[in-house]
Amino acid sequence: DTGVSQNPRHKITKRGQNVTFRCDPISEHNRLYWYRQTLGQGPEFLTYFQNEAQLEKSRLLSDRFSAERPKGSFSTLEIQRTEQGDSAMYLCASSPRQRGSNEQFFGPGTRLTVL
Amino acid sequence: QKEVEQNSGPLSVPEGAIASLNCTYSDRVSQSFFWYRQYSGKSPELIMSIYSNGDKEDGRFTAQLNKASQYVSLLIRDSQPSDSATYLCAVNEDNAGKSTFGDGTTLTVKP
Repeated sequence: DTGVSQNPRHKITKRGQNVTFRCDPISEHNRLYWYRQTLGQGPEFLTYFQNEAQLEKSRLLSDRFSAERPKGSFSTLEIQRTEQGDSAMYLCASSPRQRGSNEQFFGPGTRLTVL
Repeated sequence: QKEVEQNSGPLSVPEGAIASLNCTYSDRVSQSFFWYRQYSGKSPELIMSIYSNGDKEDGRFTAQLNKASQYVSLLIRDSQPSDSATYLCAVNEDNAGKSTFGDGTTLTVKP
């Protein structure tokens, strides 16, 4: 069990550029979540997948954000036309398939800075 | 009003004391409750989960849940300087979907 991994760990980009982040969940976990966290705040839910199906997306999420999990394994989060307000830590978490449990295990995060 | 409320702190306790962290939530249908520890610059780490009313103990940690009062707490016994971190409370409506997080309580344990 190698844990949840995320790449890149840090990304600096200029306003208006597109960025893509990758998350590899714990191998036997079928649920995958994306959150965003800014300084002094708790993680804010963005979207989640069960296998390859995207089951929920935050109503606050701009259309510039899109996420995929094409084969039910790794996931990507893309932000188009980045804005300075997108600067944050982007966290991925995964959760096992057993019923009655939603314990989520977080990766190290990708810190995005938009200049 | 946020859905999950925590005192931001900072909460300071001496080494060896009991630290008490509190969390209230607004959604009565909430089913599962979690405490995460987050060190500065790191990602959240799950330390406790609780699903039914009462106490759940794991080592030096005890989680307490009172669904009628919409209240969940975390007690840390024999606090150590290494416990200094931000503690996040998270709540789920069901057992599969998103977690809603509070903004965390910062704990400092002084040697």
